[in-house]
Amino acid sequence: DAKTTQPTSMDCAEGRAANLPCNHSTISGNEYVYWYRQIHSQGPQYIIHGLKNNETNEMASLIITEDRKSSTLILPHATLRDTAVYYCIVRVDPGGSNYKLTFGKGTLLTVNP
Amino acid sequence: NAGVTQTPKFRILKIGQSMTLQCTQDMNHNYMYWYRQDPGMGLKLIYYSVGAGITDKGEVPNGYNVSRSTTEDFPLRLELAAPSQTSVYFCASRRMQETQYFGPGTRLLVL
Repeated sequence: DAKTTQPTSMDCAEGRAANLPCNHSTISGNEYVYWYRQIHSQGPQYIIHGLKNNETNEMASLIITEDRKSSTLILPHATLRDTAVYYCIVRVDPGGSNYKLTFGKGTLLTVNP
Repeated sequence: NAGVTQTPKFRILKIGQSMTLQCTQDMNHNYMYWYRQDPGMGLKLIYYSVGAGITDKGEVPNGYNVSRSTTEDFPLRLELAAPSQTSVYFCASRRMQETQYFGPGTRLLVL
């Protein structure tokens, strides 16, 4: 699996957009970019994933650069409940039987009032 | 659906004791996983299962055992607890072509 690099921590004001970057310069053509988050003391929660096109769902938007070497997770209107550790994970499509997630240390996003 | 449930929520063990961490999912998912998370670190895969009767090792399997006799249950067994096994344990499950759903975790302290 390709390695990812994320900032250790970020701050964001409540109501503003939170933009979380992730570098994955060694990503392969068949690897997807996944984002999970982990609110304190809870299990990780899936947010979004994509291959090369930008993706949007009810939680967030995922912007992947054209060369696919980096991506940005966007929380359009951050709330205090979005304070969490955000993990960027690169993995092949989950159709395989040995599909596993490799979690790094992630980015601690703190949303301030 | 209750999703993925784990019991107990918290447990203190003495060195050398044994225990079983329970994990149950009611989503009829084929794949189930056990992870551990040490303070300030990401999750590490202990064991996983692709269906009833089939299990395989992850990154850090030493000191643990698993079984998968039913689709719903995937218990994790610690035979001789050691302080290095102090951690938070997460169980997860998924269906083919979908992402993983995680349980709330079990905090284990070995003294």
